[in-house]
Amino acid sequence: VQLVESGGGLVQPGGSLRLSCAASGFSFKDYEMNWVRQAPGKGLEWVSYISSGGTTIYEADSVKGRLTTSRDNSKNSLYLQMDSLRVEDTAVYYCARAEGATYRSDYWGQGTQVTVSS
Amino acid sequence: DIQMTQSPLSLSASVGDRVTITCRANQSINFYLNWYQQRPGKVPQLLIYAASTLHSGVPSRFSGGGSGTDFTLTISRLQPEDFATYYCQQTYSTLVTFGPGTKIDVK
Repeated sequence: VQLVESGGGLVQPGGSLRLSCAASGFSFKDYEMNWVRQAPGKGLEWVSYISSGGTTIYEADSVKGRLTTSRDNSKNSLYLQMDSLRVEDTAVYYCARAEGATYRSDYWGQGTQVTVSS
Repeated sequence: DIQMTQSPLSLSASVGDRVTITCRANQSINFYLNWYQQRPGKVPQLLIYAASTLHSGVPSRFSGGGSGTDFTLTISRLQPEDFATYYCQQTYSTLVTFGPGTKIDVK
């Protein structure tokens, strides 16, 4: 199992970024996925969940309406479209595979840094 | 949202110590509780899921317990690689939440 995030970088407040997570080593279309972020020196914050088929999405209130999760099972890829970015969105963003009845995140990517600053 | 608290938020311990961390939810989450370890500068790793099931490859010195609102993570004999931050996570609600983390450092 391998998850590789990309697309992070420095962006001004109000700007946009699109993160990608490339999955390999497992049947991506059969698994739910999560985005989790971690601000500098802070704890883990769940961002979103997407079902295996992409039809069900749950998002943290802190990102609702600004960060949009999607997936393309034909490309084994997960995405996070980040709009109207705020300074407080600065974090390392991880994609993680969700497994089983408790939707545990059993595999994580290495993370991609997003910095929102003027 | 379901709020998760952990205690203590930090603790100092020595190699060989028995350590217990508590995680509490502000409403019942049944057994939908997972534990993660994050070593400094590293990616979080799943330790325990469904409150008490050890994830594949995790040493047996780790154990979890509890149900409902109160949960524990115990490390029976602390090893050098166990100095890290530990997070609980509830997945009972569609709005998943993590606890604030408990950092274990060297006494």
